[in-house]
Amino acid sequence: ETGVTQSPTHLIKTRGQQVTLRCSSQSGHNTVSWYQQALGQGPQFIFQYYREEENGRGNFPPRFSGLQFPNYSSELNVNALELDDSALYLCASSPEPTLAVRQFFGPGTRLTVL
Amino acid sequence: SQQGEEDPQALSIQEGENATMNCSYKTSINNLQWYRQNSGRGLVHLILIRSNEREKHSGRLRVTLDTSKKSSSLLITASRAADTASYFCATDGRTSGSRLTFGEGTQLTVNP
Repeated sequence: ETGVTQSPTHLIKTRGQQVTLRCSSQSGHNTVSWYQQALGQGPQFIFQYYREEENGRGNFPPRFSGLQFPNYSSELNVNALELDDSALYLCASSPEPTLAVRQFFGPGTRLTVL
Repeated sequence: SQQGEEDPQALSIQEGENATMNCSYKTSINNLQWYRQNSGRGLVHLILIRSNEREKHSGRLRVTLDTSKKSSSLLITASRAADTASYFCATDGRTSGSRLTFGEGTQLTVNP
């Protein structure tokens, strides 16, 4: 088990709604990355936050947005939910933004959009 | 598009046998990592191998990296039922910035 926690565990929303997912990074880590994992697929990079600033973004539309707080916890917000947004959302923390170190993943939030 | 592609997509073996999974990627990398995922849960880091390394061991795991062929393999020796999971390789390319790029994974089933 890593020290990364995510909430909620499961969430059901309807199309057009908005959702906020939360991630608490491991103690001492200042970098959080978010990934979307559709069923049967590998995780896809959404974005990374380092010291409260966005530090890279994948091919996701602007309705996917994020925040990082001074304690380095993070939120992922998704507006105008679509059916294809149904997925497992994973956050990963690390002590620095380099990928030369292991990423510590949380247990994920399972989002279902009806 | 996925950088890494795992092969095979699914593998079923008996306890005690060895399991080998392969990963191919398309662009130059800095590092390659292997992760395990149990049934829709979070990813567990297994091993990181740098582009200038050729082989790495961790317990029952052995990872090789061939940058000339843009491929890596993960060998699990003396497998156990608890090794049943999906295994993913992830690369950070020299032009990919802050992202890890994952393959689609190999589903390993170890039968008792």
